[in-house]
Amino acid sequence: GESVGLHLPTLSVQEGDNSIINCAYSNSASDYFIWYKQESGKGPQFIIDIRSNMDKRQGQRVTVLLNKTVKHLSLQIAATQPGDSAVYFCAENLRGGGSNYKLTFGKGTLLTVNP
Amino acid sequence: NAGVTQTPKFQVLKTGQSMTLQCAQDMNHNSMYWYRQDPGMGLRLIYYSASEGTTDKGEVPNGYNVSRLNKREFSLRLESAAPSQTSVYFCASSERQGQAEAFFGQGTRLTVV
Repeated sequence: GESVGLHLPTLSVQEGDNSIINCAYSNSASDYFIWYKQESGKGPQFIIDIRSNMDKRQGQRVTVLLNKTVKHLSLQIAATQPGDSAVYFCAENLRGGGSNYKLTFGKGTLLTVNP
Repeated sequence: NAGVTQTPKFQVLKTGQSMTLQCAQDMNHNSMYWYRQDPGMGLRLIYYSASEGTTDKGEVPNGYNVSRLNKREFSLRLESAAPSQTSVYFCASSERQGQAEAFFGQGTRLTVV
């Protein structure tokens, strides 16, 4: 099965509220995680990343938290806007054969922002 | 800066037909990837190329072949299309494998009838 998964497939919030999207991973050896945003009809777009030697990283209106103890990742979006409506994926950097790494995605969470 | 360009954007094939999906990146990236996206399944890795001259299987390689033509281009071939290969296909590239973000193309929507 997939080593990266999401707790909630859909999330609906009011404009201006904060959003929290969660992700669980199963491979404790994963060393790098990325959050992507995918709007309808488009390819995934990078939001923010975090290395396993960090617990928290902040960007513009977004924060990613990494809890290695429980293998949990979250994406927090502050003051959610209608333009934030999209599917959000977490991706895990898994080691393949030899020195190769593969980016493995979870199923995604659909975020809907209500005006 | 075009980033990652995929062609075609849409394609309808009959079962048994073959076709090649093209991907090119202009960011001088070493690593390239092909994913498929099905409803409720997220993105699944088909094949990847860690660097020019190498290719490796991902999670769902059956029914596909790839060619890393040069550093810029990475093509995906369906030799005998099946309805189960109806999907949206995404090509991506990254500066290197490991701790580096991947940039995605706009996708190819393929329908096999």
